Amino acid sequence: GEDVEQSLFLSVREGDSSVINCTYTDSSSTYLYWYKQEPGAGLQLLTYIFSNMDMKQDQRLTVLLNKKDKHLSLRIADTQTGDSAIYFCAESPLNQAGTALIFGKGTTLSVSS
Amino acid sequence: DAGVIQSPRHEVTEMGQEVTLRCKPISGHNSLFWYRQTMMRGLELLIYFNNNVPIDDSGMPEDRFSAKMPNASFSTLKIQPSEPRDSAVYFCASSLGDKGGYTFGSGTRLTVV
Repeated sequence: GEDVEQSLFLSVREGDSSVINCTYTDSSSTYLYWYKQEPGAGLQLLTYIFSNMDMKQDQRLTVLLNKKDKHLSLRIADTQTGDSAIYFCAESPLNQAGTALIFGKGTTLSVSS
Repeated sequence: DAGVIQSPRHEVTEMGQEVTLRCKPISGHNSLFWYRQTMMRGLELLIYFNNNVPIDDSGMPEDRFSAKMPNASFSTLKIQPSEPRDSAVYFCASSLGDKGGYTFGSGTRLTVV
């Protein structure tokens, strides 16, 4: 079946790098996403990666994709207290408009100063 | 664009009452999704629409839940009668295409007492 797995919690110190990991099961997924949810808010798209890419970098964010192992990671460099939030990994099983994304349960990132 | 607009932001109701949640998607988006978020279950897809047509409602918990999308700019999620276990944050999201991911609303926090 389709499932997206993430660890539930990650705690880091300000200035360190954070790495949030995710595994997915549907090899047909063509896009994989990272969303961020701050307290009391909806999910906000952070970045995404196409399945034929291994890596994507966007300022402090680096996404790594190991398609063979169905493993996705999000690295946040120089983590700040404002990065404290819940991070969701999501896969898109089919490359069609409107196909429902499958979300993981989210990783709560806590950044201490 | 004002983004995905949900109303109300908060709703407190008594068990047995009817609850209606509203969503206005981003203009031009052709897919709309309703999600429910709880601590225990994380983010659950309830139903989604493509071009105003319900595509998959297998996530709707039971017959007490119903959703409509009478036109491209409006959708409702109705719970009748409501029960305490329906207490959650309900999110609406919309999308266009497959690479941009979803845009989420700020959610409606529902409390059924």
